[in-house]
Amino acid sequence: GDSVTQMEGPVTLSEEAFLTINCTYTATGYPSLFWYVQYPGEGLQLLLKATKADDKGSNKGFEATYRKETTSFHLEKGSVQVSDSAVYFCALSDRGGSNYKLTFGKGTLLTVNP
Amino acid sequence: GAVVSQHPSRVICKSGTSVKIECRSLDFQATTMFWYRQFPKQSLMLMATSNEGSKATYEQGVEKDKFLINHASLTLSTLTVTSAHPEDSSFYICSATTSVLPSYEQYFGPGTRLTVT
Repeated sequence: GDSVTQMEGPVTLSEEAFLTINCTYTATGYPSLFWYVQYPGEGLQLLLKATKADDKGSNKGFEATYRKETTSFHLEKGSVQVSDSAVYFCALSDRGGSNYKLTFGKGTLLTVNP
Repeated sequence: GAVVSQHPSRVICKSGTSVKIECRSLDFQATTMFWYRQFPKQSLMLMATSNEGSKATYEQGVEKDKFLINHASLTLSTLTVTSAHPEDSSFYICSATTSVLPSYEQYFGPGTRLTVT
């Protein structure tokens, strides 16, 4: 079945540091890939997405590139801010399946200190 | 953008009672809605998928008689936790998608914190 593996946290960084959160996946079909962010006490917000190989998703300074050859979708940001503190989830949707269910990684807690 | 709301945001109930949680798509018609459960510091666990006008499809291990899901219209799905027990305390999140939007994209509600005493 489909699965997503992302680096375990927690990750603690100082403001303006570089961020990488690794994500790899296995899928039976040709999935779409997503990064979601969850702020404390809230639901999930779509951060960025990519639907085919070599696509780069980007939003709010975050980027991730769909690498089919390494089955990866690592999240990066060049300079994090305190407001980026949240839990980040990597996810995939296998479009070959029914109902387009999302498969999530376990989440990575990011804390950015001033 | 597509907005999904949930009500209530927090609910406390006594053991043995039932609780209903609503999930609404505010600016689009949701042909499919999903219900997730999230334990503290853990990922989301898909409980069920509901399509408007048909019975929900439950994931393995989820008791369909305990977690009743109704998707009565294209903008509303409800999750009823029947005969709630303390172990049902959790954060419940819904999401919605539609064939009009990119069909692989889900929009999430803000979640409902259920505490059973």
